[in-house]
Amino acid sequence: DAKTTQPNSMESNEEEPVHLPCNHSTISGTDYIHWYRQLPSQGPEYVIHGLTSNVNNRMASLAIAEDRKSSTLILHRATLRDAAVYYCILRWGSQGNLIFGKGTKLSVKP
Amino acid sequence: EAGVAQSPRYKIIEKRQSVAFWCNPISGHATLYWYQQILGQGPKLLIQFQNNGVVDDSQLPKDRFSAERLKGVDSTLKIQPAKLEDSAVYLCASSLQGTLGEKLFFGSGTQLSVL
Repeated sequence: DAKTTQPNSMESNEEEPVHLPCNHSTISGTDYIHWYRQLPSQGPEYVIHGLTSNVNNRMASLAIAEDRKSSTLILHRATLRDAAVYYCILRWGSQGNLIFGKGTKLSVKP
Repeated sequence: EAGVAQSPRYKIIEKRQSVAFWCNPISGHATLYWYQQILGQGPKLLIQFQNNGVVDDSQLPKDRFSAERLKGVDSTLKIQPAKLEDSAVYLCASSLQGTLGEKLFFGSGTQLSVL
């Protein structure tokens, strides 16, 4: 199974950038890198995904290493509402199931 | 655009009782997923439907859990009989076709407490 490794927790200050790392050394060529986040008492929410190139959307940026064995989710200006558990997931195979790990719990300090 | 709807929001039952959860995915979404999330853990996939057919149910405890998706739209997940370890949040998600580059949309979940 394709797997990811993330730090258990990270802290950030409000209005500062946040870089959330993810290692996925067993990634294969057709695996997509997905990021979801989960706020307290809510279902997971899609953040961003990519295959090989860096990606930007209104929520975040995804920087993918050249060898694809790691990636970084970038929140450009953290707000208190960004405090959540962030999951880095490899989506692979014919069914493309999302297999969640434990994620990184991000705390944002005012 | 309406999101994924789930009901009930909360359910409390005693062990050995039965319970059912309902999910209405986003209109037009062919793929539907049920996840179980135990407190402090990431969601665990139980079953995936493509239209009304099962694509993956390898993690579904089939001796007590069952799920169906009639007419390829709404879905129900049933537990019969419930055990204490079934206490969790049950999440439903849907996506357009289930391809690797698509995003999933999740509902708010049903929180089940088994006493």
